[in-house]
Amino acid sequence: EDQVTQSPEALRLQEGESSSLNCSYTVSGLRGLFWYRQDPGKGPEFLFTLYSAGEEKEKERLKATLTKKESFLHITAPKPEDSATYLCAVHPQGAQKLVFGQGTRLTINP
Amino acid sequence: ETGVTQTPRHLVMGMTNKKSLKCEQHLGHNAMYWYKQSAKKPLELMFVYSLEERVENNSVPSRFSPECPNSSHLFLHLHTLQPEDSALYLCASSQLRGTGNTIYFGEGSWLTVV
Repeated sequence: EDQVTQSPEALRLQEGESSSLNCSYTVSGLRGLFWYRQDPGKGPEFLFTLYSAGEEKEKERLKATLTKKESFLHITAPKPEDSATYLCAVHPQGAQKLVFGQGTRLTINP
Repeated sequence: ETGVTQTPRHLVMGMTNKKSLKCEQHLGHNAMYWYKQSAKKPLELMFVYSLEERVENNSVPSRFSPECPNSSHLFLHLHTLQPEDSALYLCASSQLRGTGNTIYFGEGSWLTVV
């Protein structure tokens, strides 16, 4: 069964304190791995797509990396506006849907 | 104009009411989705439409009835709902292709069943 597990469930950091969020997955075949950001009361906002192990993508203070079993979302020198829930999802082979993890709720204190 | 637009943003309905959620995508995509998001649970896929045909129905109760009249519009018709159906309902769209399909979400419709 295709499955996505995100850790930690919640993370509280001080402004400027870098850290990483983890997304572990098991799929029969991977067509893509996705990261989204979701602010309270809003729909998820697309951040990155990764397709193969070793791939990396960056956007401002965020960098996503991918291995054959997991993905990391690295946050460098975060600011309070980076506070949100970060969702990871995989697109399994042969499926027309994404399978989501439960998310990591990130809080950056000023 | 945002890529995926959902209306209404908030809806309160009684258990005997009939209402509909509407979604419109302006991205030229050929697939549309309904997802349900409840507190402390992962996003749950409800329905997938590809080229206006329903291709997936994830064991959703019949009190939820989707309709996709064309590739840009998607509806979710609601009737005789239960309080546990209260959640954020998200519409999304994507362009189907060989590699992973990036899906884009709307802002969601908050549904409260009383």
